[in-house]
Amino acid sequence: NAGVMQNPRHLVRRRGQEARLRCSPMKGHSHVYWYRQLPEEGLKFMVYLQKENIIDESGMPKERFSAEFPKEGPSILRIQQVVRGDSAAYFCASSTRPRQADQPQHFGDGTRLSIL
Amino acid sequence: GQQLNQSPQSMFIQEGEDVSMNCTSSSIFNTWLWYKQDPGEGPVLLIALYKAGELTSNGRLTAQFGITRKDSFLNISASIPSDVGIYFCAGLLGGSQGNLIFGKGTKLSVKP
Repeated sequence: NAGVMQNPRHLVRRRGQEARLRCSPMKGHSHVYWYRQLPEEGLKFMVYLQKENIIDESGMPKERFSAEFPKEGPSILRIQQVVRGDSAAYFCASSTRPRQADQPQHFGDGTRLSIL
Repeated sequence: GQQLNQSPQSMFIQEGEDVSMNCTSSSIFNTWLWYKQDPGEGPVLLIALYKAGELTSNGRLTAQFGITRKDSFLNISASIPSDVGIYFCAGLLGGSQGNLIFGKGTKLSVKP
């Protein structure tokens, strides 16, 4: 589990501020996924990225949310003008080749976002 | 969107008991995964299943990929206190880009 590194672990923001969540995938992994988890719920897919490309953003809200995975550095999930409903745990997962049967996703420990 | 129905929602265990939980869907999945999540942490992969009918064990854990490809179960034998936590099933649809669909979880607690 420790292979996927997320920071910060906890983030507090006031309504209207921006939140930036970072994810460094496991060594050798070039596929990154972001999920959101509300209390007492399962994880919900948001976006899937490879290096410098967004592959699938079908689970991400159209407004205020964006994600990137640059050639160098971690993947970033950015939430602009946060609202109370954005409070959740955000998890990042990585894998080597997602379409191959033997390459499951491994998760980080998440960022708990709280909006005041 | 696609849904996985995971049951039971919660259960209490006594040390030494066997535990069983399952996930069902109306859709066909190519991959089933079982994760365990402890409070304040991310999901940890327990077992991955890739073929219909496949039965895979990991220590005291056994999971099966249903023949119809619409369900999977997880069994834990001779449970111990550290088994408490939330167990999630997750599935990958055929043709998917890799985004997992998760069940709502089964919360395992120790009987008082």
